Amino acid sequence: DSGVTQTPKHLITATGQRVTLRCSPRSGDLSVYWYQQSLDQGLQFLIQYYNGEERAKGNILERFSAQQFPDLHSELNLSSLELGDSALYFCASSVGPGGVNTQYFGPGTRLTVL
Amino acid sequence: DQQVKQNSPSLSVQEGRISILNCDYTNSMFDYFLWYKKYPAEGPTFLISISSIKDKNEDGRFTVFLNKSAKHLSLHIVPSQPGDSAVYFCAASAGKSGAGSYQLTFGKGTKLSVIP
Repeated sequence: DSGVTQTPKHLITATGQRVTLRCSPRSGDLSVYWYQQSLDQGLQFLIQYYNGEERAKGNILERFSAQQFPDLHSELNLSSLELGDSALYFCASSVGPGGVNTQYFGPGTRLTVL
Repeated sequence: DQQVKQNSPSLSVQEGRISILNCDYTNSMFDYFLWYKKYPAEGPTFLISISSIKDKNEDGRFTVFLNKSAKHLSLHIVPSQPGDSAVYFCAASAGKSGAGSYQLTFGKGTKLSVIP
């Protein structure tokens, strides 16, 4: 158990809908990262927050957004969902902003868009 | 453009023997490297890491070697056990150099099967 929690574990929805994925980092970790794992693309970095502020952005679509709240939990919002958004979404946390800080991953949320 | 490459999608090893998983990278700004292990339906689990100032790091049965000139790293597992059967991901970041952001760039993974 990494100490990172994600809810829900599974999510099934329809195209055009909007969903919110939630992540709670390990106790004491200030940084939260979101990754997407699809079958053909592997693990792709989406976005990072550090102590409430956006720190880095990767291959995140404009239809996707995230935020980190004062209690350090984070939410990833996915809107206008398309079939291709079906994937595993992982959250990771680390103590500091990055660099030599190891990232610890949650169990993931499996999103299925029908 | 894949900056971290794991060219072997799968590897089978007998129990008790050495498993060697390889990883190549192209971005010379990467300065911190990690190996993660992943079981189906679970998140990646951190195994071992190495900073670019070192060429070897050891933790129990796991050793990571870094060859900066060749932009190559490898993970050695000795002795291999059936419980090691999983997908292994190599990852890299360029955070310490300040030239990149702190996200991890992952390879596509190598599925290790340890045969009893």
